[in-house]
Amino acid sequence: GQQLNQSPQSMFIQEGEDVSMNCTSSSIFNTWLWYKQDPGEGPVLLIALYKAGELTSNGRLTAQFGITRKDSFLNISASIPSDVGIYFCAGLGYGGSQGNLIFGKGTKLSVKP
Amino acid sequence: DSGVTQTPKHLITATGQRVTLRCSPRSGDLSVYWYQQSLDQGLQFLIQYYNGEERAKGNILERFSAQQFPDLHSELNLSSLELGDSALYFCASRGDRFTDTQYFGPGTRLTVL
Repeated sequence: GQQLNQSPQSMFIQEGEDVSMNCTSSSIFNTWLWYKQDPGEGPVLLIALYKAGELTSNGRLTAQFGITRKDSFLNISASIPSDVGIYFCAGLGYGGSQGNLIFGKGTKLSVKP
Repeated sequence: DSGVTQTPKHLITATGQRVTLRCSPRSGDLSVYWYQQSLDQGLQFLIQYYNGEERAKGNILERFSAQQFPDLHSELNLSSLELGDSALYFCASRGDRFTDTQYFGPGTRLTVL
C-alpha cells in the first residue's frame, strides 16, 4: 500500500532556529496536509496543499507540495517553545474517492536541553 | 477547538469486553473518519462514513464496527477487546466535498487491562 516516509524522526530545537522536515513517497499524492499534535490531543491542521508546486504559508510555517507529487516539506522559521510537539504529514492519493489519509510516522520536535 | 467532539476522553476496560466510542462531527460536515493511533503503528485509518453510509474501510478488525446516525454523529464499537487494542482513537470530519481537509477530535484513550 501507499506509504509516507517522514524525516527526521525527531529533532531538537533552540528558540529562534529554523526547522525543516519533509515527507516522501514512491506514490503520487494529490493532496498533502501537515498536522501538529500535542500530547494527549488530536492532530490540528496546520497547512493544506492541493496543487503540485504550491507553496503556502501560515504565519511562521511554510509548506510546499513537490512538483513530482511525491514529496512535501514543512519549514518553521524562528522557532518558539510552543512549536514543540509532533508534526505529521498526510497524503491523499489518487483513487481515494472521499479520501482516507495516509500519515507519516511523525517528526517529534523537542527543546534543546 | 476543531468543532469535532468525542466521548469519553478516557476509557479503561478489561480484555473480552465491548466498548462504544462516540463522535460528533463539525456542524454541517457529512463525512466522519475513524483512526487508531498506537505507539508502534502511528495513525491508522479505520473506516469512513458519509451521510450515514460506509464509504471506505482501512485497517479495521472484524471485531470493530461503526455506524453513522441520521443526526450525523458516529459510533465506533470495539468488541472482544484485547490488550493490543489499547490506543488513542480519533475521529475526524470533513466538510466541503471538494476539499480533503479533515479536522480531528480530541480523541478517546482506550486502555485494555
